Amino acid sequence: EIVLTQSPGTLSLSPGERATLSCRASQSVGSSYLAWYQQKPGQAPRLLIYAASSRATGIPDRFSGSGSGTDFTLTISSLEPEDFAVYYCQQYDTSPPVYTFGQGTKLEIK
Amino acid sequence: QVQLQESGPGLVEPSGTLSLTCAVSRASITTHSWWGWVRQPPGKGLEWIGAIYHGGSTNYNPSLKSRVTMSVDKSNNQVSLKLNSVTAADTAVYYCATNDNYCLEHWGQGTLVTVSS
Repeated sequence: EIVLTQSPGTLSLSPGERATLSCRASQSVGSSYLAWYQQKPGQAPRLLIYAASSRATGIPDRFSGSGSGTDFTLTISSLEPEDFAVYYCQQYDTSPPVYTFGQGTKLEIK
Repeated sequence: QVQLQESGPGLVEPSGTLSLTCAVSRASITTHSWWGWVRQPPGKGLEWIGAIYHGGSTNYNPSLKSRVTMSVDKSNNQVSLKLNSVTAADTAVYYCATNDNYCLEHWGQGTLVTVSS
């Protein structure tokens, strides 16, 4: 089973700053199989990035994903007030077919 | 775009069966290949429960496989989840979502299910 570890657990930044969130896998993950989500309190998760670096429909270009193998990154180039939320990475493993999530990074206003 | 709405009892007794339905609107259930279920215990992270193909094939999380059953009802454009032998550890918000392209794109709003007597 592939385990995803996100860091940091909490990130305190101000609007306008750049945010860099990390997702490390215990084994290599195919780039097609890595996604990122944003979740605000009381809401369902929202898909931001799929296939490691492709933005989902309607996602602003300040969100970008990168990485390969075991190390993936979500970058928010300039934080807007609405970006403060919890972010999860997710991977798909083929054998057996299963999806797993990281434990989340909370992005909070400094 | 597709809309999803989960429904079902908000309270289930221990050892009972949790039964939820996800109604799909603004699209046919065959528009998307796979339909997934994800849960989130209060204050905790996300756990993928499993997914069902619109043709009926299933993939379940190995940790829940022995207790989970998913089904598709094309005539009513909905998918269903059953989880048996529930305990307090199964208390969570349950979400349905489209589960194509190795991610979960469209989500329902979620429904809280509490396991308690």
